[in-house]
Amino acid sequence: ILNVEQSPQSLHVQEGDSTNFTCSFPSSNFYALHWYRWETAKSPEALFVMTLNGDEKKKGRISATLNTKEGYSYLYIKGSQPEDSATYLCAEHWMDSSYKLIFGSGTRLLVRP
Amino acid sequence: DADVTQTPRNRITKTGKRIMLECSQTKGHDRMYWYRQDPGLGLRLIYYSFDVKDINKGEISDGYSVSRQAQAKFSLSLESAIPNQTALYFCATSDSADRALYGYTFGSGTRLTVV
Repeated sequence: ILNVEQSPQSLHVQEGDSTNFTCSFPSSNFYALHWYRWETAKSPEALFVMTLNGDEKKKGRISATLNTKEGYSYLYIKGSQPEDSATYLCAEHWMDSSYKLIFGSGTRLLVRP
Repeated sequence: DADVTQTPRNRITKTGKRIMLECSQTKGHDRMYWYRQDPGLGLRLIYYSFDVKDINKGEISDGYSVSRQAQAKFSLSLESAIPNQTALYFCATSDSADRALYGYTFGSGTRLTVV
């Protein structure tokens, strides 16, 4: 994998459903993995930053896991609510002199009431 | 007031015009970035700056220039705008290397349309 890839591209679920999506990233230059939540017409907001293989972080109904050896992270939302509707972006922070953040194209989640 | 402020929020300009997008921050962060977002693509890095005297090209810097006037201000210029520069532009800030683990702080974006 040369780029940060997210799947699915979009997802429609019913209120109350639990859901998850995937971020795959090249693991050779890994420093950290970021997840952002981006609501329409607002700024992307940081959800999690993870660095260690096996890391698991949680914020309310949202949690994320990290596997740096195989280069993937999962984001889980338990009991989705309409206010969870947003685009979820993941980004890999590279361990080079630039410390650049490379973004995936996002998963757009729509939660129907 | 927002931690990272971008102006203008929306702009329509004509092909060939020079335009400047401005970004200011109150976070006290050293590092500032300009990204553009196009439908179906991730945020792509245009330029970044680690301090006032440090400017670096990102992956799509052609057709753009930047100026870091102060620690708190980082502006992006399109010297001669072209229609494929129509996009949503984000400014972001972060603390220095280790503390970047807390994530970036983004502005609200500037929607630029070049006609």
